[in-house]
Amino acid sequence: NAGVTQTPKFQVLKTGQSMTLQCAQDMNHEYMSWYRQDPGMGLRLIHYSVGAGITDQGEVPNGYNVSRSTTEDFPLRLLSAAPSQTSVYFCASSSRGTNEKLFFGSGTQLSVL
Amino acid sequence: GDSVTQMEGPVTLSEEAFLTINCTYTATGYPSLFWYVQYPGEGLQLLLKATKADDKGSNKGFEATYRKETTSFHLEKGSVQVSDSAVYFCALSASGTYKYIFGTGTRLKVLA
Repeated sequence: NAGVTQTPKFQVLKTGQSMTLQCAQDMNHEYMSWYRQDPGMGLRLIHYSVGAGITDQGEVPNGYNVSRSTTEDFPLRLLSAAPSQTSVYFCASSSRGTNEKLFFGSGTQLSVL
Repeated sequence: GDSVTQMEGPVTLSEEAFLTINCTYTATGYPSLFWYVQYPGEGLQLLLKATKADDKGSNKGFEATYRKETTSFHLEKGSVQVSDSAVYFCALSASGTYKYIFGTGTRLKVLA
């Protein structure tokens, strides 16, 4: 099992550029989510999805878009990157039920210059 | 709103020392509580969890007990190893939601 796969692992953008962070899981999990990790801030939820076609905002959604057209994929789009979006991004998934553990990808380190 | 507070790091210990990392939470209802661990360059992985009051989660020598009266879920290990060096996150999952709330993380460094 590959689990949760994120690409790319590293990315450098210039202010105003757009890009998509990819996330795929092969465990047939209904729930998928995106977090950003910043020093001293822990992990903050950006967007999440409880199934194909269903997405919702988390704690820090501004500047990010998501869609969920399949169960497996949950891409995160930055339409116009800003230096404040420099962070490490993690995708996570879990099976139905709020007490199930989260499976995390290995992360994407993004720098916006 | 719901929140998780954990002790500031870094925590530096010698091998075989006793470890405690404090975690307290604020939540309505009866959340599930978790400890996740992040090794360098990796994503987080579940270390242990507890789903109701007085439950004790345990794994790899680590333990934590869900204390509703003190709203705490402190992580303990009797004898740490160099390989335990990592960042530890306390988290809660509010009952009836999909949302997980994480603490800020505590970095542990164990010296040989």
